[in-house]
Amino acid sequence: KQEVTQIPAALSVPEGENLVLNCSFTDSAIYNLQWFRQDPGKGLTSLLLIQSSQREQTSGRLNASLDKSSGRSTLYIAASQPGDSATYLCAVRSGNTGKLIFGQGTTLQVKP
Amino acid sequence: AAGVIQSPRHLIKEKRETATLKCYPIPRHDTVYWYQQGPGQDPQFLISFYEKMQSDKGSIPDRFSAQQFSDYHSELNMSSLELGDSALYFCASSSLGRETDTQYFGPGTRLTVL
Repeated sequence: KQEVTQIPAALSVPEGENLVLNCSFTDSAIYNLQWFRQDPGKGLTSLLLIQSSQREQTSGRLNASLDKSSGRSTLYIAASQPGDSATYLCAVRSGNTGKLIFGQGTTLQVKP
Repeated sequence: AAGVIQSPRHLIKEKRETATLKCYPIPRHDTVYWYQQGPGQDPQFLISFYEKMQSDKGSIPDRFSAQQFSDYHSELNMSSLELGDSALYFCASSSLGRETDTQYFGPGTRLTVL
């Protein structure tokens, strides 16, 4: 059974810092991995999707990497801003039906 | 660009009542997913439909049922509501056959059971 874990659960950094969020999964047989952002009480915004055949994806200040063999993904946020404060969730698609298995999320606070 | 639409956005029900949540996927997406997110929890997969047929089932109570209609919109029906059903219910859609297969989520329906 696929399990997804995110460390740390919470992170507080000063504005301008570069930071890394971690995601690990137990079954390396995945189709893809998706990173989401969720603001309190709001929906999930897709940030990046990495296919199982890819090593990384970039979008603006965000860079996500995938090491399928070790069951790990990282989300790198460059030059963090207070507007980046949110919960970041990683989710893995393992089966061919497309359902996602989510981690518990990392709640990020960027202080001005 | 069109996004996933969910209605209603908020719903308040009493215990043992029935609720119906609606989802309108992004046009030309062939797959709809339903997820439940309890307070402080990560989203949990409930059920999915591919081309109007149920394609997968997760931890969905027997009191819940869902279907996808000919116009691809989907409805989640919840009966005999319990206090523990209070949660955010998300619908997502994707085009499963495409290489990218990004799932796009709707804004969610917040269900409160009193």
